[in-house]
Amino acid sequence: DVKVTQSSRYLVKRTGEKVFLECVQDMDHENMFWYRQDPGLGLRLIYFSYDVKMKEKGDIPEGYSVSREKKERFSLILESASTNQTSMYLCASSRWGGPQETQYFGPGTRLLVL
Amino acid sequence: QKEVEQDPGPLSVPEGAIVSLNCTYSNSAFQYFMWYRQYSRKGPELLMYTYSSGNKEDGRFTAQVDKSSKYISLFIRDSQPSDSATYLCAMSPQGGSEKLVFGKGTKLTVNP
Repeated sequence: DVKVTQSSRYLVKRTGEKVFLECVQDMDHENMFWYRQDPGLGLRLIYFSYDVKMKEKGDIPEGYSVSREKKERFSLILESASTNQTSMYLCASSRWGGPQETQYFGPGTRLLVL
Repeated sequence: QKEVEQDPGPLSVPEGAIVSLNCTYSNSAFQYFMWYRQYSRKGPELLMYTYSSGNKEDGRFTAQVDKSSKYISLFIRDSQPSDSATYLCAMSPQGGSEKLVFGKGTKLTVNP
């Protein structure tokens, strides 16, 4: 079974703090993704990575950065948290290969920025 | 026009009903279509995956794709309370492992 784990289920931070969200997958997947999910807006892609040390901007990268130093780990960084970054953050991973491959999601981190 | 449109509901049905969930899209390059199910406070999990036009059946679930109309559907037969969840459609030009475009999700409640 593919397992994608996220470091925290719930997180409360203050405006201006630097926030790290960690994601680890145990299936040797090449691709990893960070989404945020908001009511009425659905899932929106923040950043993704096809390989170690590689990153690509998604649809809403502003205010975020990422790090992928090891294949199994993909970190999302909020350099200076703001209240509009209060959201559910979802990490996903997938195997690089044929079109039948799909994304597997972690349980999510609910972030509240005060 | 948004790339993917999905009625957010909420949708409430009695147990045993047939449920129809739908998405429309505007990008004719989409060839791979997925339905994810998301239970409350959990991450999405893949439910159905189809390529191009046609039908795919898996137990009580049937996914349909009509590329000519840019319309996809998920049917749930004999719905159960355990089907209560948010259903997200997703699609991609190149496959499910690539960047996906998601609908906003439809919240379904099946009442016993």
